[in-house]
Amino acid sequence: GQNIDQPTEMTATEGAIVQINCTYQTSGFNGLFWYQQHAGEAPTFLSYNVLDGLEEKGRFSSFLSRSKGYSYLLLKELQMKDSASYLCAVRDRSGNTGKLIFGQGTTLQVKP
Amino acid sequence: GAGVSQSPSNKVTEKGKDVELRCDPISGHTALYWYRQSLGQGLEFLIYFQGNSAPDKSGLPSDRFSAERTGGSVSTLTIQRTQQEDSAVYLCASSPQQGSRGNEQFFGPGTRLTVL
Repeated sequence: GQNIDQPTEMTATEGAIVQINCTYQTSGFNGLFWYQQHAGEAPTFLSYNVLDGLEEKGRFSSFLSRSKGYSYLLLKELQMKDSASYLCAVRDRSGNTGKLIFGQGTTLQVKP
Repeated sequence: GAGVSQSPSNKVTEKGKDVELRCDPISGHTALYWYRQSLGQGLEFLIYFQGNSAPDKSGLPSDRFSAERTGGSVSTLTIQRTQQEDSAVYLCASSPQQGSRGNEQFFGPGTRLTVL
């Protein structure tokens, strides 16, 4: 079956670092995506991992371990505007459709 | 604009009525996806188009749901005889081509459907 788990809510302080974890069990794997979604808005792409290791992009980094079925998104130097939901999604390999299987999302609240 | 657009942004309907939701993907994107986001739930895959054909309809929850795509561009999701459990945000996404490394999906703002 398909299962993607991430914490429902997290709280962090402005200027700090926060790590959002995601574990997955899927029948096929063709990459893992992180999206950011502000309330009432469309999800926007943050990062993509298909090989093990760390991908860094400015204040955001994403890590993948395929053997452990584990990823995390690391946000540094938190800003108030980073308050949003963060969605972990695995691209399904079956049928070669590219469809994404999403976790329920982690709502991050950044406090002053 | 250059992004994915959807209309209407909000739709309130009565139980039993039919609704049509529209998606205009980014020009040139051959892959198009529909997802549903219910309150407190993650995004749920509904259907995938490659060009005008839909090789994966596995996520459609019942035969009341159907979708089509014409001209390799605009797509319409139709829900017949709407039920209250159909209330959700319906998101459309497009991608240059499916399955290719790093080809992220670009999402539209969604249509919030409320069935009374």
